[in-house]
Amino acid sequence: QSALTQPPSASGSPGQSVTISCTGTSSDIGGYNFVSWYQHHPGKAPKLMIYEVTKRPSGVPDRFSGSKSGYTASLTVSGLQAEDEADYYCSSYAGSNILFGGGTKLTVL
Amino acid sequence: QVQLVESGGGVVQPGRSLRLSCAASGFVFRTFGMHWVRQAPGKGLEWLAIMWFDGSIKYYADSVKGRFTISRDNSKNTLYLEINSLRAEDTGVYYCARDKGWGKWLDAWGQGTLVTVSS
Repeated sequence: QSALTQPPSASGSPGQSVTISCTGTSSDIGGYNFVSWYQHHPGKAPKLMIYEVTKRPSGVPDRFSGSKSGYTASLTVSGLQAEDEADYYCSSYAGSNILFGGGTKLTVL
Repeated sequence: QVQLVESGGGVVQPGRSLRLSCAASGFVFRTFGMHWVRQAPGKGLEWLAIMWFDGSIKYYADSVKGRFTISRDNSKNTLYLEINSLRAEDTGVYYCARDKGWGKWLDAWGQGTLVTVSS
């Protein structure tokens, strides 16, 4: 049950787009279309941003989008805004358990 | 609105036990599965356990199997996590979260309770 692999950091200027990758294996990302992404501002409750690879919960701006190819999932944030600065975690269903990535700190320059 | 409030954290000596609680409101608790997730200082999220809406099914991460026990009381809208033989590496913030998709993702989270294991 190894964690999914994410880059530790990403950055972009306001208005730009940033993509965060998340790599797993055939037992998790590659085996199921149940990738989700969470936004976490330290000290607050994590927030679901994307589920089932591409779906957005009600209230999440359409600037956030998800995709998957093979064993790698991606989160793209378009039109970066200052409030998007946070930690982002990917997650995948892996049978009877859930795996998280190590997290990516997104900085808005 | 959906609200999850964790409690029961604090400073605990190694080897002792601790029970965390998660009080749920704003939704029909007895119809949702629930998870526990933790975050060690400076580290990422780690999934710990899930319990089905009726308590019939539980799954644990291999790293905590045998030492952690998830339970719930649907009459009290409360989820629990019992941690035995606490170790320094159990230090962190513990979150409860609501399940969606039968164990596939977590759609609502609490703000967490801090557990510090130290002598």
